[in-house]
Amino acid sequence: GESVGLHLPTLSVQEGDNSIINCAYSNSASDYFIWYKQESGKGPQFIIDIRSNMDKRQGQRVTVLLNKTVKHLSLQIAATQPGDSAVYFCAENIIGYSTLTFGKGTMLLVSP
Amino acid sequence: NAGVTQTPKFQVLKTGQSMTLQCAQDMNHNSMYWYRQDPGMGLRLIYYSASEGTTDKGEVPNGYNVSRLNKREFSLRLESAAPSQTSVYFCASRTGTGELFFGEGSRLTVL
Repeated sequence: GESVGLHLPTLSVQEGDNSIINCAYSNSASDYFIWYKQESGKGPQFIIDIRSNMDKRQGQRVTVLLNKTVKHLSLQIAATQPGDSAVYFCAENIIGYSTLTFGKGTMLLVSP
Repeated sequence: NAGVTQTPKFQVLKTGQSMTLQCAQDMNHNSMYWYRQDPGMGLRLIYYSASEGTTDKGEVPNGYNVSRLNKREFSLRLESAAPSQTSVYFCASRTGTGELFFGEGSRLTVL
């Protein structure tokens, strides 16, 4: 059978619900975090970012929360729409690293 | 404003063939990157170029070479393609504040 590693964590919600996607990051030296959205067949697109000196940042229908104590990041999407269906990645900038370090992603499925 | 443009979008190769993936950005970014994306593996860094004239290995550089032709262009070459290199390849450039902008991807199949 297929390896478990091939399957992304999946969050299934109904249209209009609020969605919360979680991410645990690895390094206390991370100073910057970004959420990306990747639709099928496309490249990742920037959604929202947050610096490590902040706990919360809001955008249009999206909010990112950062809990540095437990190294946890979450993305909240209000009034989720079918067009929000995609894979969502968190990424962290670890000071001294050459590029962002990406999580494995969570698939969000929105049913009409 | 096109952002990051990759060509080709799709390619099928036979084992042992060579090819070059092209990438260009029009945002005047210094840093450019090549990633590969495989199911369940996330985005893995192949090579990057922090500035024009420099290139460095990432997490999975074996089987690849890169050229930073100028500030705009960063190409990825497969000298002798292997089935393990079947993947989706993404080029990205990075702003001074840290955000990565990605291209639409190049889907490569090696038979």
